Amino acid sequence: GIQVEQSPPDLILQEGANSTLRCNFSDSVNNLQWFHQNPWGQLINLFYIPSGTKQNGRLSATTVATERYSLLYISSSQTTDSGVYFCAVEPYNTNAGKSTFGDGTTLTVKP
Amino acid sequence: ETGVTQTPRHLVMGMTNKKSLKCEQHLGHNAMYWYKQSAKKPLELMFVYNFKEQTENNSVPSRFSPECPNSSHLFLHLHTLQPEDSALYLCASSQETGGIDEQYFGPGTRLTVT
Repeated sequence: GIQVEQSPPDLILQEGANSTLRCNFSDSVNNLQWFHQNPWGQLINLFYIPSGTKQNGRLSATTVATERYSLLYISSSQTTDSGVYFCAVEPYNTNAGKSTFGDGTTLTVKP
Repeated sequence: ETGVTQTPRHLVMGMTNKKSLKCEQHLGHNAMYWYKQSAKKPLELMFVYNFKEQTENNSVPSRFSPECPNSSHLFLHLHTLQPEDSALYLCASSQETGGIDEQYFGPGTRLTVT
């Protein structure tokens, strides 16, 4: 099946710093989403971004589908940004709804 | 209520108990999903339902039994679980399956099997 690799696995930032999280995938995809899982376990949609660039406040994401990667940018990080960031993809040409999640990047933002 | 809701939020059960997890979505979606998230592991897809029909069973043991009576409700019936089944169980929904729609997640049920 499709492989999803996220990097780095762990990231520690000082409040106010910027960061880039990466998601590489091994095959063509229909669908790519970025999620933030907060310390209470809630998964929050950040972006639905199978291709192109989107921005939402301090966060933005870019997916280059032809090169099979996506980047999540966090600017001016805040302590509330802490948690685990997951990338999830659905392989191209499937009707099963079978998303594959990466292992996540654990972000810790220190005050 | 809006979005995707799950009950209970926390559950402790013995290995001989029978319990059920409930998920309800208020988004008008037609597809619903169960995921399992164990400690230090990524999310694992368990089941997918599209228009109330099960379209994916990701080799899940029979001690987990899903039920989807309609497009808005999804249950996960649990019986004779093992301690290694302790995990966060997340429900999600999307408009349909087929790779074109965003998934929206509920808050999860944190299950502990003693």
